[in-house]
Amino acid sequence: KAGVTQTPRYLIKTRGQQVTLSCSPISGHRSVSWYQQTPGQGLQFLFEYFSETQRNKGNFPGRFSGRQFSNSRSEMNVSTLELGDSALYLCASSLEVLSSYEQYFGPGTRLTVT
Amino acid sequence: AQKVTQAQTEISVVEKEDVTLDCVYETRDTTYYLFWYKQPPSGELVFLIRRNSFDEQNEISGRYSWNFQKSTSSFNFTITASQVVDSAVYFCALSEWSRATSGSRLTFGEGTQLTVNP
Repeated sequence: KAGVTQTPRYLIKTRGQQVTLSCSPISGHRSVSWYQQTPGQGLQFLFEYFSETQRNKGNFPGRFSGRQFSNSRSEMNVSTLELGDSALYLCASSLEVLSSYEQYFGPGTRLTVT
Repeated sequence: AQKVTQAQTEISVVEKEDVTLDCVYETRDTTYYLFWYKQPPSGELVFLIRRNSFDEQNEISGRYSWNFQKSTSSFNFTITASQVVDSAVYFCALSEWSRATSGSRLTFGEGTQLTVNP
């Protein structure tokens, strides 16, 4: 079974621009979560989607948004990019939204904002 | 709010040594789940083990074992006979369920960089 895939793997953007990252979950998984990883803040939860609905949201500004499609694929968008948005963005999928299910992570998208 | 603390920032061992990674957590939930993930240099987080809060039986899986103690809120992870390929950053995580939103999230510790030298 294929794992979680994320595209693109690397991205370089300029301050003020916007970016869209894509995530395809493991087949059959219905929950998708996004995390931001930076050297200073570590791994931080962004949001979780299930059945095309955002179920949970982390403490990030409104510039960070996401959505999930009927096939469980998800996208996250960051508008008006800031230098501090440079990070590894990880997508994870799980069978269901319940906290008991382990999340499987993709390879991440490395975003660099200049 | 939930919190996970991994006090060991870096650990360096020689191959074949046993190594224990410490994890302490805080939560108000009575039912919760704990996880260990491994992040090799490639960047992808790899799921290792899961433990629920109402089962304190410690287990061994191959070279991995874990010690869950609810009384001290600790969930330590041990690698027996370490190998060079075990070199990675290891994260302890706590799963939180929100009744208000019917959603969940993982709260991660800061990570422990394990280096296994030949």
